Amino acid sequence: DIVMTQSPLSLPVTPGEPASISCRSSQSLLHSDGYNYLHWYLQKPGQSPQLLIYLTSNRASGVPDRFSGSGSGTDFILKISRVEAEDVGLYYCMQTLQTPLTFGGGTKVEIK
Amino acid sequence: EVQLVQSGAEVKKPGESLNISCRGSGYSFSSYWIGWVRQVPGKGLEWMGIFNPGDSDTRYSPSFQGQVTISADRSVSTAYLQWNSLKASDTAMYYCARTTILRGVVRDFDYWGQGTLVTVSS
Repeated sequence: DIVMTQSPLSLPVTPGEPASISCRSSQSLLHSDGYNYLHWYLQKPGQSPQLLIYLTSNRASGVPDRFSGSGSGTDFILKISRVEAEDVGLYYCMQTLQTPLTFGGGTKVEIK
Repeated sequence: EVQLVQSGAEVKKPGESLNISCRGSGYSFSSYWIGWVRQVPGKGLEWMGIFNPGDSDTRYSPSFQGQVTISADRSVSTAYLQWNSLKASDTAMYYCARTTILRGVVRDFDYWGQGTLVTVSS
């Protein structure tokens, strides 16, 4: 199984400041089609997860442009350029290159 | 508007059977796979399996193979997650989500249901 490791576990942030979350996979997520099958989700308190970023760097519909994703192979980053209060919640990375599909353990973003 | 609407919360006893549902609307139900994800209270997300309503192709996580059954009824655009004999350890929130497979690889889960809380207690 591909193991997904996120850091940090907890991220206190100041509104207006940037934030970044790391996700590492135990195997490369690069497919022969050139895409890295790594996606990011945000689970706001009391809600279902919602797709933020797909295929490493593509924002899902309706996602503000302050969110960006990058990386390749085994190392990936989710960045928030300027954190807003509504961005609090649990962030998960997920790989879909191989079954079983696996999630990172989650990063809790909270406002300082 | 794409929507996945799940059935309501359930409280069951160990050993009982259960079927929870996920109804899709706003898109061609048979053209996308449905995945199921478990979230134990206070814990992270675990992938259980995916099902293709178009041809009934099913892929299970080894962790859930033999423990649950995923199915769907295209005529009512509804996917199901079934247990034959619940355990206390099945207590969790269960989410359905839409995905697809392109070039043999699963894509992202782009729309999610609201979740169904299953509580198993004697």
